[in-house]
Amino acid sequence: VQLVESGGDWVQPGRSLRLSCAASGLSFGNYGMHWVRLAPGKGLEWVSGINRKGNSMGYAGSVKGRFTISRDNAKNSLYLQMNSLRIEDTALYYCAKEDPDMNGYLDLWGQGTLVTVSS
Amino acid sequence: EIVMTQSPATLSVSPGERVTLSCRASQSVTNNLAWYQRGPGQAPKLLIYSASTRATGIPARFSASGSGTEFTLTIYSLQSEDSAVYYCQQYDTWPLYTFGQGTKLEIK
Repeated sequence: VQLVESGGDWVQPGRSLRLSCAASGLSFGNYGMHWVRLAPGKGLEWVSGINRKGNSMGYAGSVKGRFTISRDNAKNSLYLQMNSLRIEDTALYYCAKEDPDMNGYLDLWGQGTLVTVSS
Repeated sequence: EIVMTQSPATLSVSPGERVTLSCRASQSVTNNLAWYQRGPGQAPKLLIYSASTRATGIPARFSASGSGTEFTLTIYSLQSEDSAVYYCQQYDTWPLYTFGQGTKLEIK
């Protein structure tokens, strides 16, 4: 059972990037999924979440209107489309699985993918 | 947005001692509160959910309590591997969850 993030890169401010999270060993479509980030020298920040069916999403105020979360249950994959990137979006981005009862706590995390926004 | 405030920011304690970490919510989250441990270079790990229930495989020396706006995590018989940053997270308000800023625990 694991989550593996990919897509992190160095990008200039204002550009776009798409992160992916591949799930294996679990029934991906049965769980809500989330993105959480850890910026240098800061604490964890919840970024975005999506329900099992992909028809309800939520975003932190800092990314609302710029980031879009989506999922493809047939491909066991979670995505985060990041547009209009800012320097303050520099962080390690984790993919995390929600608990089976959809309470909202995160019981499985990936190792993260690094996004660096710099000119 | 519910703001989660953790205290203290840092702690330094000796092995074998007990430590208590605090987490306060800006409004009631009932018992929809989780604690996570992030060791150096590691992904966060779920310790506690529903304010006081230990996650699978978490030893009994990790104990948590609270409800509403005030929560605590107590770690007994501290061991070197407990050196980490500990975070609380409220999940009362879908679709907007929030974390505390973390408490860094150092084992001397």
